[in-house]
Amino acid sequence: NAGVTQTPKFQVLKTGQSMTLQCAQDMNHEYMSWYRQDPGMGLRLIHYSVGAGITDQGEVPNGYNVSRSTTEDFPLRLLSAAPSQTSVYFCASRTEGTDTQYFGPGTRLTVL
Amino acid sequence: GNSVTQMEGPVTLSEEAFLTINCTYTATGYPSLFWYVQYPGEGLQLLLKATKADDKGSNKGFEATYRKETTSFHLEKGSVQVSDSAVYFCALNSGSARQLTFGSGTQLTVLP
Repeated sequence: NAGVTQTPKFQVLKTGQSMTLQCAQDMNHEYMSWYRQDPGMGLRLIHYSVGAGITDQGEVPNGYNVSRSTTEDFPLRLLSAAPSQTSVYFCASRTEGTDTQYFGPGTRLTVL
Repeated sequence: GNSVTQMEGPVTLSEEAFLTINCTYTATGYPSLFWYVQYPGEGLQLLLKATKADDKGSNKGFEATYRKETTSFHLEKGSVQVSDSAVYFCALNSGSARQLTFGSGTQLTVLP
């Protein structure tokens, strides 16, 4: 199993550009989540999904969109990047009935 | 709402020293409590967890006890190693989707 994979590892955008951060898992997990990590603030939940076709907002959803068309994939879209979205983004997944989340290696995004 | 408060870092210790990282929480219901570790350049890994009051989680020499009366989940290790240098996050899960709420993280550096 590859576990949770994320691409790209690094990305630099200009203000106003759009992009999609990719996340995939091969463990057949129902639950997937996106977090952002900022210095001194831990990780904050952006969006999550409890299964294909079902998504919901987390603590900091503004400026981000998600969709879940398959169990494996959970892409995060930035529609119009802003410097405040400079962060490290982590995708995570878990299976129903367990508490343990598995994290991907992260994507470091810089918005100029 | 739910929140997790960790002792501020960074923490610097000599090898074989005793480690305590304090964590307190505020939550509704009956959350599970977690410690995650992030090694340099990597994603988060589950270190240990406890699912109910008075449970003790343990792994790799680290321990933490779920104390409901003091709403705490302090991380301890009797003798740290250089390889323990990392960022440690305390977290709880909550809500119908059992999503994680993280503390701000504590950077630990162990010197030889």
